Amino acid sequence: EAGVVQSPRYKIIEKKQPVAFWCNPISGHNTLYWYLQNLGQGPELLIRYENEEAVDDSQLPKDRFSAERLKGVDSTLKIQPAELGDSAVYLCASSAGTVETQYFGPGTRLLVL
Amino acid sequence: KNEVEQSPQNLTAQEGEFITINCSYSVGISALHWLQQHPGGGIVSLFMLSSGKKKHGRLIATINIQEKHSSLHITASHPRDSAVYICAAHQNDKIIFGKGTRLHILP
Repeated sequence: EAGVVQSPRYKIIEKKQPVAFWCNPISGHNTLYWYLQNLGQGPELLIRYENEEAVDDSQLPKDRFSAERLKGVDSTLKIQPAELGDSAVYLCASSAGTVETQYFGPGTRLLVL
Repeated sequence: KNEVEQSPQNLTAQEGEFITINCSYSVGISALHWLQQHPGGGIVSLFMLSSGKKKHGRLIATINIQEKHSSLHITASHPRDSAVYICAAHQNDKIIFGKGTRLHILP
């Protein structure tokens, strides 16, 4: 069974440019998470979806970050415009339900210059 | 103060040693995860537990709900166990992550 797929794996952009990350969760997983992980830190939740509904986006900086999961499967996370402090690993995870084992993708490592 | 605290932050041990990583939390939880993250790699879920003890190969996870404490043990440690181990607590529908314990097993 395929795991959580993320692309791109790496992205280097200049500040003020837009960037988008894509996530394909494990088939059948209704719950999808986007996390941000800084070096030496644990993941921090940005947004959680139950199917196509964003049920927890309280930690998402909505002035520059947006996310969507239009058909309740794939999801995209966008940053516009990117700032230097956005350099981090962006992780996508999925699970069969809210309190179920989460399966993480490999992450997208973003470097903003 | 982080609601989920791990100790130690860093641990270096010789191959074969018995390893213990601790996780304490200050909130009521419904379940607790132990995750493993290799350098440059993705995160793998090792255990999810809400009571008692679970074992998988050389890995053992225990949780004491009353004391709000969980431990991850590795028996007969091996250099391939070198990774960051992260504790994550499910609180209602939120997940709170610890900062991780960086483990380095020397051959």
